[in-house]
Amino acid sequence: DAGITQSPRHKVTETGTPVTLRCHQTENHRYMYWYRQDPGHGLRLIHYSYGVKDTDKGEVSDGYSVSRSKTEDFLLTLESATSSQTSVYFCAIRSGTDTGELFFGEGSRLTVL
Amino acid sequence: AQSVAQPEDQVNVAEGNPLTVKCTYSVSGNPYLFWYVQYPNRGLQFLLKYITGDNLVKGSYGFEAEFNKSQTSFHLKKPSALVSDSALYFCAVRDPMNTGFQKLVFGTGTRLLVSP
Repeated sequence: DAGITQSPRHKVTETGTPVTLRCHQTENHRYMYWYRQDPGHGLRLIHYSYGVKDTDKGEVSDGYSVSRSKTEDFLLTLESATSSQTSVYFCAIRSGTDTGELFFGEGSRLTVL
Repeated sequence: AQSVAQPEDQVNVAEGNPLTVKCTYSVSGNPYLFWYVQYPNRGLQFLLKYITGDNLVKGSYGFEAEFNKSQTSFHLKKPSALVSDSALYFCAVRDPMNTGFQKLVFGTGTRLLVSP
């Protein structure tokens, strides 16, 4: 158990509404990530954080923003959800070893109608 | 930029038979390679990694993977498959020589189906 909690686990919303997904870790790790998983695409990096208030874009960051005001929390926000953002979102933390393997949360399934 | 290819969308194997899930990679330097498994409605679980040294690495649940530098491959193997091994498997690569952010790049996944 990597000590990662995602909330909500499931959400259905309508196009144009804002959505925030929360990732909470109990391990005090520096690096945190948000990925989305879609059939045929595997996992794609949305945003990542390398410390409090330190965040950067991944490969599919358009339409998403993030915030990290505390070490343990990393929030992903969809300012105005679109149907193309229907996906399963995974938060991950990076291990403290030099090899940097990731450990994932259980995922948040978002459906945008 | 690094990349990973998993050429098979699905692998079917009978319980008790050996299994192989294929992965090839592309990086500019020496890679760090990883395998993850995902069970239905769950997050990805780390299985094993190759960093350096012995080309055959052992991981969780009896899985092992063979690193082949000349073929740029990192195939996942298990001598005797179990029905409970049925899941989605992801290969991932990181290039430790990148001077910038060293992201982990994932393949598209291979679904393993083990029949009784």
